[in-house]
Amino acid sequence: DAGITQSPRHKVTETGTPVTLRCHQTENHRYMYWYRQDPGHGLRLIHYSYGVKDTDKGEVSDGYSVSRSKTEDFLLTLESATSSQTSVYFCAISEYEVNEQFFGPGTRLTVL
Amino acid sequence: GENVEQHPSTLSVQEGDSAVIKCTYSDSASNYFPWYKQELGKRPQLIIDIRSNVGEKKDQRIAVTLNKTAKHFSLHITETQPEDSAVYFCAAIRGGNKLVFGAGTILRVKS
Repeated sequence: DAGITQSPRHKVTETGTPVTLRCHQTENHRYMYWYRQDPGHGLRLIHYSYGVKDTDKGEVSDGYSVSRSKTEDFLLTLESATSSQTSVYFCAISEYEVNEQFFGPGTRLTVL
Repeated sequence: GENVEQHPSTLSVQEGDSAVIKCTYSDSASNYFPWYKQELGKRPQLIIDIRSNVGEKKDQRIAVTLNKTAKHFSLHITETQPEDSAVYFCAAIRGGNKLVFGAGTILRVKS
């Protein structure tokens, strides 16, 4: 597996609380992505980054924000978690824009 | 934007038989088509990919074919084995855009 980790791996939180998920890579890849995975929907892109401090929205970005202050770290924040954000979140990295993406181990988030 | 449809949603085959999963895409400018395999509780991992300047690519028991005119591509697994049981995702992208995934196919190989 590529050098990519996610923390925490599991989290249970309550509606209305802020949550931050962290993705850390040791591959020095330029591109980083956050996806959510829900049954019947495959993987849907939330936000992505094409460099330090350079980010853009994906198809399901409402309710999420991201930050990338270092090449190796990409943070996903749920400002006020809702039950609809219960999901498995995957971070991914790629060296080039149109190329293989390597996925992290995932974070299972439950919002009660 | 790009839209990727994947069929079937579930597929059961007998061990040793072949399995075929098909995807269609909407953006004729898409030029990279990866396939990912995800085992239960694990992360998705790339198993094969194809670029738009190639019509077919093989890697041992796995092959992918691309028909740019019809805007569809397919994954072929021959001589299926129990360890091929997993969820398979297709995806499509072009430069300046984002990778769009199909909804996935659950493949069950019965021994």
